[in-house]
Amino acid sequence: GDQVEQSPSALSLHEGTGSALRCNFTTTMRAVQWFQQNSRGSLINLFYLASGTKENGRLKSTFNSKESYSTLHIRDAQLEDSGTYFCAAGSSNTNKVVFGTGTRLQVLP
Amino acid sequence: NAGVIQTPRHKVTGKGQEATLWCEPISGHSAVFWYRQTIVQGLEFLTYFRNQAPIDDSGMPKERFSAQMPNQSHSTLKIQSTQPQDSAVYLCASSFSQNTLYFGAGTRLSVL
Repeated sequence: GDQVEQSPSALSLHEGTGSALRCNFTTTMRAVQWFQQNSRGSLINLFYLASGTKENGRLKSTFNSKESYSTLHIRDAQLEDSGTYFCAAGSSNTNKVVFGTGTRLQVLP
Repeated sequence: NAGVIQTPRHKVTGKGQEATLWCEPISGHSAVFWYRQTIVQGLEFLTYFRNQAPIDDSGMPKERFSAQMPNQSHSTLKIQSTQPQDSAVYLCASSFSQNTLYFGAGTRLSVL
C-alpha cells in the first residue's frame, strides 16, 4: 500500500541552528502536508504543497512529485519549535491521506 | 471560526462498553477524516467522508468500529464492546475539497 518513510525519527538542535527533515513516498502523491504536533497534542498546519517550494518565516518546504519526496527545512531553530513533525501525503490513486512516522525535534538552549 | 471541534476531550470506558466520539467539521468543508494515534502505530487512517458520503473506510477495523455522517455539521465514530487495545487518541480532520487538512484537538479514549 501507500507508504510514507520519514527521517530522521529524532533530532536535537541547538537554538539558532537548522536542519532538514525528509519524507520519501513509495507511490506518486498528488500533494503533501507538513504538521507540527505540539506538547498538547494539537496538529498545527505548516504547509500544503501540490508542487514546488513554499517558505514561511524560518520554515521552508519542497515537494518533488517526480522523485517522490518532500523536505522541511528549519533554520534558526527556537525553543518553541520543539515537538513532533509529521508529513502527510495524498495518493493519486486513493482518497487516503497517509502520515509519516514523525520526527521528534528537541531544540536545546 | 472555531475550527474542528471534537467531543469529549477525554473518555474513559470499561472493557466491553460502547464509546461514541463526536466531530464537528469546519463549516463549509466537504471532507471529514478520522485517524487514530498511538505511540506504537503512529497516526493511522480510519475512514473518510466526502459530502457526507462514506468514500473510504479501509482503515476501519472490520468489527466493532463504525462511522457515520448524518449531516454536514457532524460525524460520529462508534466503538462497540471496547477493548484495551482501542485506547488511543482519535483525531478528526476536515478539509475543503481534499486540500489542507485541519485537525481537531482529539478525543483521548482510555479503555480500562
